[in-house]
Amino acid sequence: EADIYQTPRYLVIGTGKKITLECSQTMGHDKMYWYQQDPGMELHLIHYSYGVNSTEKGDLSSESTVSRIRTEHFPLTLESARPSHTSQYLCASSGDYPQETQYFGPGTRLLVL
Amino acid sequence: SQKIEQNSEALNIQEGKTATLTCNYTNYSPAYLQWYRQDPGRGPVFLLLIRENEKEKRKERLKVTFDTTLKQSLFHITASQPADSATYLCALGTGAGNMLTFGGGTRLMVKP
Repeated sequence: EADIYQTPRYLVIGTGKKITLECSQTMGHDKMYWYQQDPGMELHLIHYSYGVNSTEKGDLSSESTVSRIRTEHFPLTLESARPSHTSQYLCASSGDYPQETQYFGPGTRLLVL
Repeated sequence: SQKIEQNSEALNIQEGKTATLTCNYTNYSPAYLQWYRQDPGRGPVFLLLIRENEKEKRKERLKVTFDTTLKQSLFHITASQPADSATYLCALGTGAGNMLTFGGGTRLMVKP
């Protein structure tokens, strides 16, 4: 079992609220990622980080933002949640070559009413 | 454009048989390919990695092949069990920054 944690696991929130999804890993990995996945659909990369103070946008445009102030912590924030943000959000981390495998957290299932 | 294709239809097989899942890609030059298992409501779990210069990789009941000419990977589970029922994702990596692009996954159902 990978040591990567996400909280909350489930979140139901009203439109316009600010939310932060937490992700932490204890493996000392420099690289971390956020994916968005709708039920039965593909994983889409929305943010990634190569290390502290490094953040980049992924392939799928997202209104969320991320920060990387500490190696182990990579939170995702939505300033004003909308129903279109309803989805599952998965956090992952990876080590360096040759350990390119990504370790995923359990995900946060977000429902915006 | 770059594309990864996995059979979106569920694969139903009988317990004890070999399950074979396919991953095809176009417009990629992957340095490696990975297979993950995902259970409902959970994050994917890494299973196997195969590099561009490798033809085949095995791990217990799992076998992966990688044909860069055909642009295809096959994922086999031998002596399948109901516990193998899950969605299996292939992911391609170009080697740059450990970025992966995932396919849509194939759902496997193993019936007792």
